[in-house]
Amino acid sequence: QKEVEQDPGPLSVPEGAIVSLNCTYSNSAFQYFMWYRQYSRKGPELLMYTYSSGNKEDGRFTAQVDKSSKYISLFIRDSQPSDSATYLCAMSARSGTASKLTFGTGTRLQVTL
Amino acid sequence: KAGVTQTPRYLIKTRGQQVTLSCSPISGHRSVSWYQQTPGQGLQFLFEYFSETQRNKGNFPGRFSGRQFSNSRSEMNVSTLELGDSALYLCASSLAGQGTSTDTQYFGPGTRLTVL
Repeated sequence: QKEVEQDPGPLSVPEGAIVSLNCTYSNSAFQYFMWYRQYSRKGPELLMYTYSSGNKEDGRFTAQVDKSSKYISLFIRDSQPSDSATYLCAMSARSGTASKLTFGTGTRLQVTL
Repeated sequence: KAGVTQTPRYLIKTRGQQVTLSCSPISGHRSVSWYQQTPGQGLQFLFEYFSETQRNKGNFPGRFSGRQFSNSRSEMNVSTLELGDSALYLCASSLAGQGTSTDTQYFGPGTRLTVL
């Protein structure tokens, strides 16, 4: 079983919908949690960063971490066609090894007009 | 500020050959990490270099190796290529690789390697 599980999708939603993307993990040592967005033929770009549990909001994006359930989420409000991409969750254990990110396989999102 | 650059963008090789990929980090970044991305396995960590030293290593065979130069540029090498090595190889740079909110990883566009 993988350390990080993520539904690969594809997930298709109409423009303006609220999107919920999720990951579960098994390693209780993870404490840094990130969401990356990857457009086709591009490298991943960092969207959200959260340390430990809690919520973080940035514009239309909200990241939630529930360490007790080993579950993280990314919500996208008022989704736009430009949000169509693959969303990757990533996490790492402690500062000294923080460069070693463990990724989910990614969820492909399609926002339709 | 220029982003992470990777060369070449595309490569086609045959089984048994070897290949070298190059990564130039963002100016001022001293940590460079390499990842392999495949449809089935997703992004998997290969190794990380900091100040010309390998600091972290993932679970890949010894055919995968890398190095970092004094200007922080990095290369990775894959010897005796196998069909399963076909993947997108991504390089990411960060200031010092600490993973804090002010020291996160920035990815390059990747090198698409096809092994025939």
